[in-house]
Order: sequence, then structure tokens, then C-alpha cells
Amino acid sequence: GESVGLHLPTLSVQEGDNSIINCAYSNSASDYFIWYKQESGKGPQFIIDIRSNMDKRQGQRVTVLLNKTVKHLSLQIAATQPGDSAVYFCAETNNAGGTSYGKLTFGQGTILTVHP
Amino acid sequence: DADVTQTPRNRITKTGKRIMLECSQTKGHDRMYWYRQDPGLGLRLIYYSFDVKDINKGEISDGYSVSRQAQAKFSLSLESAIPNQTALYFCATSDHGQGDYGYTFGSGTRLTVV
Repeated sequence: GESVGLHLPTLSVQEGDNSIINCAYSNSASDYFIWYKQESGKGPQFIIDIRSNMDKRQGQRVTVLLNKTVKHLSLQIAATQPGDSAVYFCAETNNAGGTSYGKLTFGQGTILTVHP
Repeated sequence: DADVTQTPRNRITKTGKRIMLECSQTKGHDRMYWYRQDPGLGLRLIYYSFDVKDINKGEISDGYSVSRQAQAKFSLSLESAIPNQTALYFCATSDHGQGDYGYTFGSGTRLTVV
């Protein structure tokens, strides 16, 4: 079946550095992607999304890049702060139509640790 | 108040017992989901409901059942709990109609089956 996966399960960075978290997806029909942040003891929180008709989208200190050719998604966090320490998940959905549209499939997650 | 509320937050139960996890939302979303999270396995879909009269199995529905009592309420039951159902359970909602498929998650229920 189709799946979404992450290249690196853990990432450690120094405060102030930029962080890049990667995600590979296998379903070429995927047309909507989301990054979530999950802090300890909390549910995942929406960070940023991107549709397949875009290559790049920027938010506050975060940028998502989409490379449809190689089915790769990345999340860039600028000037990483200790408060950014969390597990980051990518998720995708595909335009299968009908009731399955909008049902997200999640990757395994990357643990980001930011050292002061 | 949280948009998506799960109860209980933590629960320890014995093997063979029936347990219900509850979820309520104030976002007015039509769609509700139950996910299970295990270390290293991400979030796996148990059941989902796109409206009050709609219930669908996810990828790991065996051993679970659900009830959509109202638009705002979606409960998950373990009819006879077993130790490998020990996990963190999340309820989520989404409003597909606006074209934003992002989910709003509850804070989770940590379930331990002994």
C-alpha cells in the first residue's frame, strides 16, 4: 500500500541553527501535504501545508518544499529555538475522490532536539 | 476550553475489561477520527466518521468499535482490552468543506492494559 516515510528519525541542532526535516512519500497521486509538530504530552499541531501545484510555501520561520519529481517533502525551520524541540510528522492525502478524500496518512515522525 | 476534548487523559485497565474513550469537539467539524500512536510507528487510523450516519474502518480497526452519538461526539470502545492495545490514542476532527484538510487533535488518552 501507499505510505509516507521519513529519512531521519532524530535530528539534533544548536539553538540558532537552521533545521531541515525530510519526508518521502510513495503515492504519486498525493496532492496535499501537511507538517505537524507534537510536543511531549500533547496532540499534534498543524504547522504548515502545501498543495501539489506549489513547490514552496513559507510561514513564520518555517518553509515547506515539495519536490514532486522525487516525491520528497521537507520542512525547514529557521533560527531553531529550544521551543522547537518536538516530534515532527509529515502527512499526505491523495485525490482518490469520494469519501477517502481528505483522509490523512502520517509518516513515522522525526525527533528534533535543540540544544541551547 | 480545548476545541477537541478527550476523556480520560490516562487510564489503566485490566485485560479483558471493556473500556470507552470519549471525544467531544466544539469546532463544528463534520469529520472525526480515532488514531493510535505507538513509539516509532507514527499515527495509525483506527476508525473515522465523515458525518453522524457514516462510520468507516481504518487500517487497524480489529478489537475496536466506535459510536458517533452526535456531530460533536465520537467514542472509541475496546470490547475486551488486551495488553498490545496499550498505546496513546488521539481523536481528531477536520472540516473538509472549506478545502483545509488539516486536523485538530485532542490531547490524547494514554491507555495501559495490564
